[in-house]
Amino acid sequence: AQSVTQPDARVTVSEGASLQLRCKYSYSGTPYLFWYVQYPRQGLQLLLKYYSGDPVVQGVNGFEAEFSKSNSSFHLRKASVHWSDSAVYFCVLSARSGTYQRFGTGTKLQVVP
Amino acid sequence: ETAVFQTPNYHVTQVGNEVSFNCKQTLGHDTMYWYKQDSKKLLKIMFSYNNKQLIVNETVPRRFSPQSSDKAHLNLRIKSVEPEDSAVYLCASSHGTSSQNTLYFGAGTRLSVL
Repeated sequence: AQSVTQPDARVTVSEGASLQLRCKYSYSGTPYLFWYVQYPRQGLQLLLKYYSGDPVVQGVNGFEAEFSKSNSSFHLRKASVHWSDSAVYFCVLSARSGTYQRFGTGTKLQVVP
Repeated sequence: ETAVFQTPNYHVTQVGNEVSFNCKQTLGHDTMYWYKQDSKKLLKIMFSYNNKQLIVNETVPRRFSPQSSDKAHLNLRIKSVEPEDSAVYLCASSHGTSSQNTLYFGAGTRLSVL
């Protein structure tokens, strides 16, 4: 069975602080992993994705994520957040032989002054 | 820049009515999807089409039916809406059927069933 868990429904950080959004997955093989972001009243956009190789992947707007097979995790990080980063972030998994992507429950990030 | 267009943005209707949502993509992709996003932001796949052919049909009530006239269009019809159909319906597209491909989403259609 495949599943994605984002344990934090809401995260609040101060502007300029560092950020980590957690993602755990359940899958027997090595999955494809993604992070998407949904800004208010907009569609989802891809931040980054992991297929293989270097476990640390770089994305847009200074985001990066680290894949850990031993921990079954794919946490998202940013060194210094901006108020415009306030949005809902989704961790997504797909099987290598799959036909669609499976979304986590999302983490709502609020950046405060 | 938006390349997946959904209409309408919002729709309010009563139980038992029929509704239709439209989706068009201008990216030249050959695969399109419908996802349902509930009030807690959870997204679930409903359907996927590749070149007008249905390739994914998750456990969705029969009152939902997708319609594809060509690979750039994927519409969704709900024959007799129920209160639990209130949600945001998100259309997406990708190049090819591989699940590793990036999904491009529209802004969604918010359905409220009274």
